[in-house]
Amino acid sequence: SAVISQKPSRDICQRGTSLTIQCQVDSQVTMMFWYRQQPGQSLTLIATANQGSEATYESGFVIDKFPISRPNLTFSTLTVSNMSPEDSSIYLCSASTGTNEQFFGPGTRLTVL
Amino acid sequence: GENVEQHPSTLSVQEGDSAVIKCTYSDSASNYFPWYKQELGKGPQLIIDIRSNVGEKKDQRIAVTLNKTAKHFSLHITETQPEDSAVYFCAASTGDYKLSFGAGTTVTVRA
Repeated sequence: SAVISQKPSRDICQRGTSLTIQCQVDSQVTMMFWYRQQPGQSLTLIATANQGSEATYESGFVIDKFPISRPNLTFSTLTVSNMSPEDSSIYLCSASTGTNEQFFGPGTRLTVL
Repeated sequence: GENVEQHPSTLSVQEGDSAVIKCTYSDSASNYFPWYKQELGKGPQLIIDIRSNVGEKKDQRIAVTLNKTAKHFSLHITETQPEDSAVYFCAASTGDYKLSFGAGTTVTVRA
């Protein structure tokens, strides 16, 4: 398994600003992903963070709004840009070691005022 | 894309009783089916998974069954305890590591 940490754990931000969320894994992993979980809802995949190249975004999510970096095999960042109250969600990082098993971080709880 | 439906949305059981959550999937190419438990304020925790070449898998008080023909899979929790109270999510994947999640089931175990 992999142990995943995220920073910050929560934040309250003003509309129009941006927030960068960091995800750190305790071991090298094959795949890293970013999910959004709106209050009381299920998880929706935002993108696959590719090491050394551009992320692969799911339908409905674009790079300008959610730029992602993955400089190495254990670290990734997600930026939520030009935030609006509709961006208030839990943002979750996950990682897979290549055996299909996917492990999640504790999440970043974002509130946009 | 894959569509995963999960039922029921809420489940209340007496401590010691069993709990069953059912999911159906739409993509016959799906071959990996994990279950996650999410406690309040925490990230989802992988509790058990099953692959398409297996019909049933058990781990202590939890078990998962898979019916590929009917495209449904179920989570069974026996001898429920208060610490089993959480939101449970099923998911499906076609092997590309991307997970499609069900809507979740809120399980409450009454003492």
